[in-house]
Amino acid sequence: GIQVEQSPPDLILQEGANSTLRCNFSDSVNNLQWFHQNPWGQLINLFYIPSGTKQNGRLSATTVATERYSLLYISSSQTTDSGVYFCAVERRGAQKLVFGQGTRLTINP
Amino acid sequence: DAGVTQSPTHLIKTRGQQVTLRCSPKSGHDTVSWYQQALGQGPQFIFQYYEEEERQRGNFPDRFSGHQFPNYSSELNVNALLLGDSALYLCASSLARAGVQYFGPGTRLTVT
Repeated sequence: GIQVEQSPPDLILQEGANSTLRCNFSDSVNNLQWFHQNPWGQLINLFYIPSGTKQNGRLSATTVATERYSLLYISSSQTTDSGVYFCAVERRGAQKLVFGQGTRLTINP
Repeated sequence: DAGVTQSPTHLIKTRGQQVTLRCSPKSGHDTVSWYQQALGQGPQFIFQYYEEEERQRGNFPDRFSGHQFPNYSSELNVNALLLGDSALYLCASSLARAGVQYFGPGTRLTVT
């Protein structure tokens, strides 16, 4: 099956810093989603981005489908950005999301 | 616009028992997928229901079964519970088996 690797596994930053999270995947996909998992376990949709670039406030994402990777950028980090960020992909015809292991982001005040 | 809802929020069961978890999809969605998330791991796909039938299944034993009702809501049943079934169970909904999946708040199952 398709493999999804996220890096780094852990990231600790000071408030105000910028961060880049990476997601590599091993096959062509027709769906790629970025999520933020809050402390209660809910997966919050950040981006649906099988290709191209999108921005939403301080967050932006870029997927280069031909090179099989996606990047999530967080600018001017706030303590509320802390949590686990997941990348999930859906291979063509599979109709199921395959998740990476996540990046745990800690923003210190 | 109601999002995905799940019940119950938390559940404690004993080994060998059976459990039923429930999910109502986001308004307008007709497809429900279930995922299991063990502590410290990413969610793992269990199965997907569309038009009241199981359409896709992940690598889970037959102890895991489900159902989808005509109103698109769904149940996940787990029989003969094992300690290793302790996890967060997440339900996601989408439209016509494609596109963006939206997740519910999850049910945290503890098996003792």
